[in-house]
Order: sequence, then C-alpha cells, then structure tokens
Amino acid sequence: QSALAQPASVSGSPGQSITISCTGTSSDVGSYNLVSWYQQHPGKAPKFMIYEVSKRPSGVSNRFSGSKSGNTASLTISGLQAEDEADYYCCSYAGTYTRYVFGTGTKVTVL
Amino acid sequence: QLQLQESGPGLVKPSETLSLTCTVSGGSINSSTYYWGWIRQPPGKGLEWIGTIYYSGTTYYNPSLKSRVTISVDTSKNQFSLRLSSVTAADTAVYYCARHYYDILTGYSAAGFDIWGQGTMVIVSS
Repeated sequence: QSALAQPASVSGSPGQSITISCTGTSSDVGSYNLVSWYQQHPGKAPKFMIYEVSKRPSGVSNRFSGSKSGNTASLTISGLQAEDEADYYCCSYAGTYTRYVFGTGTKVTVL
Repeated sequence: QLQLQESGPGLVKPSETLSLTCTVSGGSINSSTYYWGWIRQPPGKGLEWIGTIYYSGTTYYNPSLKSRVTISVDTSKNQFSLRLSSVTAADTAVYYCARHYYDILTGYSAAGFDIWGQGTMVIVSS
C-alpha cells in the first residue's frame, strides 16, 4: 500500500487561502469517507484537525476545512496566519487489510 | 484530560527487539469505545501507521510490518505496548502512541487519531 500523494510544499501570504491535495486510490480515499488531517509543528506530535473528510474536532479553527472528490481529498486553510506554518498530513482508512495509510506530507510556508 | 506517554529504550541494536510502552492517564484504556494505536515517523519523513489494539486484545497490523510487530494491552496498568523484532536502521524513528477517535454520531471508530503522546525517539545502531 503506497502512501497517499501530497504536494511537498504549498505557500501563501497572510490572509490568503491555500489548498492541500491528498490523492489516493479507489481502495482508500475513493472508497471511504474516513479521511483525517493532521498539523505538525517541528518537534511536536501531530494535531488532529479534520476527520471524516470535513468535520472539525472541538477547538479547531473554522479556518480549516476539508472536502473530497473521487480519489482526492483536500484541506483548505483560509485567512492564512503565521501559526499555520507547519507540516500537514492526510490519512485514510483503507479497508480491513491495510487499515490506515498516511499521506506523504506537505510543508506549508506563510510568506 | 486524557494523556498518553511513551516510554522505553532510546537505543536498540540491529537485529534486536524494540519494546515501547504507552501509559494512558486521565481515562481508562478498558473502554469499549476506543481503539489504541502506534504510529512512527523516521527523521525528516512522513507518518506510518504500525498497528492498533482494542482493550479486548484484538489487534490490527500494517501488512508491511506484520511479521515483526506485536502489540499487547495490560488493562490493569492502563498501558499498551509495542514490540518490533529484528530491527534495522530503517526502524529508526520517533514512535507515537495515539487514541483512535470515536465519532459518537456515526459510530465510526476509524475516524482518525485524536490524542497523541509526545513521541519517543528510537535509534537503531550498534
């Protein structure tokens, strides 16, 4: 099972919106609405940002939103802020054999 | 609130077995609601799911690691553990334990990993 494909880096200016893609296959992203997203600052544990494609856990800013179309999920960060600069990972449930597969990760830079 | 803490040796020799424990505090591991997982991250690289356990002892493993991984639970100590055998330098990574998120509205227990330990670095070297 290969990792889900994410762009290595995405950048934007403060206040702008950016979108990170997460491309899988019909065996993972395409088959289940069980995509989650994580934010990871250097030296820190990942933080749970989005689950079930588009739901936000309590306490996560509504500037973060998720969506999915076919085999590709997306995370959009609107009103980009300096503290959003971090690595972002997607993760998808992939069935009873493979279970969970993570994305390759995207470094977000706030210009 | 619920917290997870990894513990174990930071240095393991090649071909030996890596052993880590995750201690859960602020809540019980003996819950029918939650699953508990291990995830690792090699230096400068992405996240990889290793495996998951339920309080009953039911386990699920990453197929690529399955032949070398054992995850167990000790409900009396509120802990779950990871053993990875025949390690090589490729197993050098930060190892995290995490709780699977349970969506009470949908009943999904595969909705992601909501609470993570701080992670522990394990280096495989002679």
